[in-house]
Amino acid sequence: AQSVSQHNHHVILSEAASLELGCNYSYGGTVNLFWYVQYPGQHLQLLLKYFSGDPLVKGIKGFEAEFIKSKFSFNLRKPSVQWSDTAEYFCAATYNQGGKLIFGQGTELSVKP
Amino acid sequence: DAGVTQSPTHLIKTRGQQVTLRCSPKSGHDTVSWYQQALGQGPQFIFQYYEEEERQRGNFPDRFSGHQFPNYSSELNVNALLLGDSALYLCASTNSWAALYNEQFFGPGTRLTVL
Repeated sequence: AQSVSQHNHHVILSEAASLELGCNYSYGGTVNLFWYVQYPGQHLQLLLKYFSGDPLVKGIKGFEAEFIKSKFSFNLRKPSVQWSDTAEYFCAATYNQGGKLIFGQGTELSVKP
Repeated sequence: DAGVTQSPTHLIKTRGQQVTLRCSPKSGHDTVSWYQQALGQGPQFIFQYYEEEERQRGNFPDRFSGHQFPNYSSELNVNALLLGDSALYLCASTNSWAALYNEQFFGPGTRLTVL
């Protein structure tokens, strides 16, 4: 079955620390990958997306993600987090040109000032 | 330019009742999807509507049904509510012609509590 899994449920960092959130997707054909963020009290927003081409994708607010096909991974990174990055982060995928987004369980990020 | 809007914001129902949630897509979008987000979980796909027809469906029982209107707005109906239906219901919209490549824009959600 097509699925997405996120390794960490809750991550706590201090400001200026580096961030890496893990995401793995199952094999299921052509896959497109996304990272969404949900700030407290706000709706889901797209951070970045990968469809093809350069496996290193840059998104908004200094986030980037690397698509590693051999590892079925799409990890999210940021060199230096800020308190305002406190939010829940969701990795998601669509398969075979379908519009259905399959989400991971989410990772709650808490950044201490 | 208004984004995706949903109503109501919150709703409390009792078991066995029926509920209707509403969604207006972002301007220029014609495809609407519904997701259920249980507490502490990622959103789960319920179904997608395009041209007033259900185009894709997730693993949800027939108690969950929907409708899309000519103006592209959509409703989600849930019959015979169960306690387990308590969740945040999200609506997302996109363009059909580029649904594969465009991001889906999400609304703020409707928080449904079933007592």
